[in-house]
Amino acid sequence: DTAVSQTPKYLVTQMGNDKSIKCEQNLGHDTMYWYKQDSKKFLKIMFSYNNKELIINETVPNRFSPKSPDKAHLNLHINSLELGDSAVYFCASSQGRSRVRTDTQYFGPGTRLTVL
Amino acid sequence: AQSVTQPDIHITVSEGASLELRCNYSYGATPYLFWYVQSPGQGLQLLLKYFSGDTLVQGIKGFEAEFKRSQSSFNLRKPSVHWSDAAEYFCAVGIMNSGYSTLTFGKGTMLLVSP
Repeated sequence: DTAVSQTPKYLVTQMGNDKSIKCEQNLGHDTMYWYKQDSKKFLKIMFSYNNKELIINETVPNRFSPKSPDKAHLNLHINSLELGDSAVYFCASSQGRSRVRTDTQYFGPGTRLTVL
Repeated sequence: AQSVTQPDIHITVSEGASLELRCNYSYGATPYLFWYVQSPGQGLQLLLKYFSGDTLVQGIKGFEAEFKRSQSSFNLRKPSVHWSDAAEYFCAVGIMNSGYSTLTFGKGTMLLVSP
């Protein structure tokens, strides 16, 4: 009974390609997130959606486009992949008490993206 | 600006010994603090969190953390480490971003357990 799942777990691709990562949560949460973990393990928020509405959009290149078809899914599409996009991408979800800082986030297993 | 500092990049502890991982935060309001663990090749698992009340919080896997406002710290402790505790540990503070909550993470501490 995976709470937050991501596919694929590993993704190896060539520079210039377009790829997508999918995330699904079965916790009934209203808010979902994408984080990027770089090679030094630093985690940084990229996007957040609440009930399919984009609420946080950090300074991420516009080659990255999140899409939320419903509140249980948040996908990340990346165009024209670059070497620097190589990282682990984590999806997370929270109950949706987004306007309070006590909203607890639960993370997926991560997708390791390698751009060659 | 809010930030989280984990001063130790790596820590090595003998199996059965006690553990303390340090975390210092900088945040203008009341901090809401979290510890997550990332085992090799795995996602982040929530160990414990502090919102208010008792400053000593208990978590899963025998971990506890103590919030000390005067020191701006939220150190993670375990009395006896097991080999399976070897992992990366992240401290985080809940912040407001554009009116919504999110997390600011420290850079992590890698725990190595020696036999």
